[in-house]
Amino acid sequence: GENVEQHPSTLSVQEGDSAVIKCTYSDSASNYFPWYKQELGKRPQLIIDIRSNVGEKKDQRIAVTLNKTAKHFSLHITETQPEDSAVYFCAASQGGSNYKLTFGKGTLLTVNP
Amino acid sequence: EADIYQTPRYLVIGTGKKITLECSQTMGHDKMYWYQQDPGMELHLIHYSYGVNSTEKGDLSSESTVSRIRTEHFPLTLESARPSHTSQYLCASRGTQHNEQFFGPGTRLTVL
Repeated sequence: GENVEQHPSTLSVQEGDSAVIKCTYSDSASNYFPWYKQELGKRPQLIIDIRSNVGEKKDQRIAVTLNKTAKHFSLHITETQPEDSAVYFCAASQGGSNYKLTFGKGTLLTVNP
Repeated sequence: EADIYQTPRYLVIGTGKKITLECSQTMGHDKMYWYQQDPGMELHLIHYSYGVNSTEKGDLSSESTVSRIRTEHFPLTLESARPSHTSQYLCASRGTQHNEQFFGPGTRLTVL
């Protein structure tokens, strides 16, 4: 089955700096890659996703890049703000009849004011 | 408003009790999932269902069981709770037309 590795496990940045979180996946059949943000005591919420037919996707300060050949994808947050502090999870899944998301272990991002 | 609802939100029970965690969604989704998560930690898939009368065990071995008699309802049952079951349980659902998976607010379970 699919295996998703996520790094780093913790990341601390100064407000205004950029943050990058990286994930690798093992199953070349995976074609959907979402990122979830989970604030303390809250449910995970989708912040951005990318499909395998696209190399990059951007939404304001957040961007995701995908390298299918190397089987890795990354989350980029620019101009970080204290409210970006949360745990971020990457995930991967196949299309077709397999709708299970395989999650990475999460990255605790702390943005220091 | 379309959403995923979980009850109870918090539960403290004694060892050996039987409990059922409720999950309902008004999203019209056919796929539903149960995850176990210690606060801020890894999400472990324990059960999933792709439709009525369809249930599968997830990646994490669990002593719980699930049922899917109605599309919108996916309850999880622990026949005999133990302190090792203390955790947060998150229900999720996903439609067919769009890949986005939505999570419920979670049930925080403490077994004494």
